[in-house]
Order: sequence, then C-alpha cells, then structure tokens
Amino acid sequence: LAKTTQPISMDSYEGQEVNITCSHNNIATNDYITWYQQFPSQGPRFIIQGYKTKVTNEVASLFIPADRKSSTLSLPRVSLSDTAVYYCLVGDGGSARQLTFGSGTQLTVLP
Amino acid sequence: GAGVSQSPRYKVAKRGQDVALRCDPISGHVSLFWYQQALGQGPEFLTYFQNEAQLDKSGLPSDRFFAERPEGSVSTLKIQRTQQEDSAVYLCASRLDTRREKLFFGSGTQLSVL
Repeated sequence: LAKTTQPISMDSYEGQEVNITCSHNNIATNDYITWYQQFPSQGPRFIIQGYKTKVTNEVASLFIPADRKSSTLSLPRVSLSDTAVYYCLVGDGGSARQLTFGSGTQLTVLP
Repeated sequence: GAGVSQSPRYKVAKRGQDVALRCDPISGHVSLFWYQQALGQGPEFLTYFQNEAQLDKSGLPSDRFFAERPEGSVSTLKIQRTQQEDSAVYLCASRLDTRREKLFFGSGTQLSVL
C-alpha cells in the first residue's frame, strides 16, 4: 500500500489560497490520488481526484508533478467554512484496504 | 434516499452489551465499506462488501465484530460483548462500482461504551 504523509495542521486566513501537500513516494503506476474533506460529526466528502498534471473542479485544484511522488491540493480563497480535516488517499481502488485514510491535515481558517 | 443513511446516530452501550449498527447505502451502489474512526484519527478500514459478498474483512479488530449485507443493500455491523475500546464513530460508505469511483459516506454512528 502506498503510504502518504501530510502535515498535521495548517492555519490560514479568509480569502487566502491554501496549498496542502501530500507525499506518496511509493505510488504505483496504476494508482490515483484522491482527496477527501471531513467536517466534525460528518463522514468524509470527496473533493477531487487525479492521476497526473493538473485537475480542477469547482472547489479545488490538484497539482501532481511528473514523478507523482507528491501532490498538492489547492483551495482558492478559503472561507471559515473550509475549516476541516483534509485526507489524501493513493490507490487504484482495486483493493478495499487501499482506501485507508491517514491522520489527515487539520486546516483552520481564521477571520 | 439521496445519500448514505446510518442509524442510530448515537448509541450508548454498557460494557458487555451487543450492538447493531445499520447502514443504508445509496440505491444501486454495489460496494459498501465500514470504517472505524477514533477521536482525532482518520477512518480505519474494517470491512468491504461487493453486493452481498464480504470480500475483505481483514480490518475487523476481533471476532466480536461481525458485518453482513444479506441482500446486497442494507448492511449491519454487529459488535458483541462491547468493550470500552470499541467506543468510536462507525462510518459506512458506498460506491457505485468502478474502482476509481468516489466513496459516499454516511454521517456515522457514534458508539460510546460505558
């Protein structure tokens, strides 16, 4: 299983862009990178998924360098409501155990 | 329903009691997962179903934990003789089918064992 490493916590201010980096040195050829967001008392929610280069949707962008050993989730112009835990997962989904969450990154957005 | 539904939302059990936690996945979703989330930690994989078949139960912490999905839809996670260390949030997630499809999570059942 590809192990991921993320910062434990990050602080930001409203309106700023936030970048959360995840390291996954042992990523396999078929693995995808997926990010989830979790608010207190709720289950995780899918944010974005990518394989290489850049992916953008209505809430975030995901940057993946050519070697794919890391990825960066970018949240533009964060608001207080973006305060949550963010998880990076790596796998091709073929093994249920691949869908294992690490400890995630606690993002706190300050006014 | 539109999302994954779990019940009860909260469960308090005395040590030694048996509990049953229910998950209603999104209609038509083939895959169903159970996770355990301790306070301040990420969700940890417990078990996985594809339709009614339990394909992976390697994450179940002991033989006191049992999960079933007899008709390939609703699933129940049963914990026998609960212990204090079983206190956690139990999350259920479903996925349409394709490997890279995203997981849809319920809000979880918070289990407190006294």
